[in-house]
Amino acid sequence: QVQLVESGGGVVQPGRSLRLSCAASGFTFSTYGMHWVRQAPGKGLEWVAVIWYDGGKKYYADSVQGRFTISRDNSKDILYLQMNSLRAEDTAMYYCARYGPGASLDYWGQGTLVTVSS
Amino acid sequence: QAVLTQPSSLSASPGASASLTCTLRSGISVGTYNVYWYQQKPGSPPQYLLRYKSDSDKQQGSGVPSRFSGSKDASANAGILLISGLQSEDEADYYCMIWHNTAVVFGGGTKLTVL
Repeated sequence: QVQLVESGGGVVQPGRSLRLSCAASGFTFSTYGMHWVRQAPGKGLEWVAVIWYDGGKKYYADSVQGRFTISRDNSKDILYLQMNSLRAEDTAMYYCARYGPGASLDYWGQGTLVTVSS
Repeated sequence: QAVLTQPSSLSASPGASASLTCTLRSGISVGTYNVYWYQQKPGSPPQYLLRYKSDSDKQQGSGVPSRFSGSKDASANAGILLISGLQSEDEADYYCMIWHNTAVVFGGGTKLTVL
């Protein structure tokens, strides 16, 4: 069965960096695009970024453009999100999700919590 | 003006039907978009429900009951999630989504209360 397991969250000071990982299993990772989506405490879903199956295309939300980088290692079945220059407003649960059939986000991980605070 | 607007809350009775709306911003026509719907229960990640473009172009998520269905109201420029035969377990937050200019956009979500 499809499994997505995020890791790397924690408490970080404003202006610092953090790298999130998403380990995938149960499907051929190298043939699917992947997304990062975040959810601030008590708030709605906010899309962060998407990467094509081969890493050939990447798109970002305006709120993270230039600060966050999405990448993947298809030899290890891992998706990454490098987050630089973190701000308080980046505090959220970060989910990875599979870019599924019909361009849906068909499977989601359980999330990893990032707290940006001094 | 937000790209997608959802009512913040909706209440309905068990056994009844609930119609959740997702209104697209003026200038963006619902007819040209796939509208996706997700359900999220407290403490859990979102779950994909379905995609709706038209009656001939739609997709149900894996394992999603047929009492969840999609439609559109072109006059209101809105996507609709219809939940029939409401059950207590349907109480959750529901989010609509579209792809817009190489970006994914979510609506603000509707909290559905079943009482």
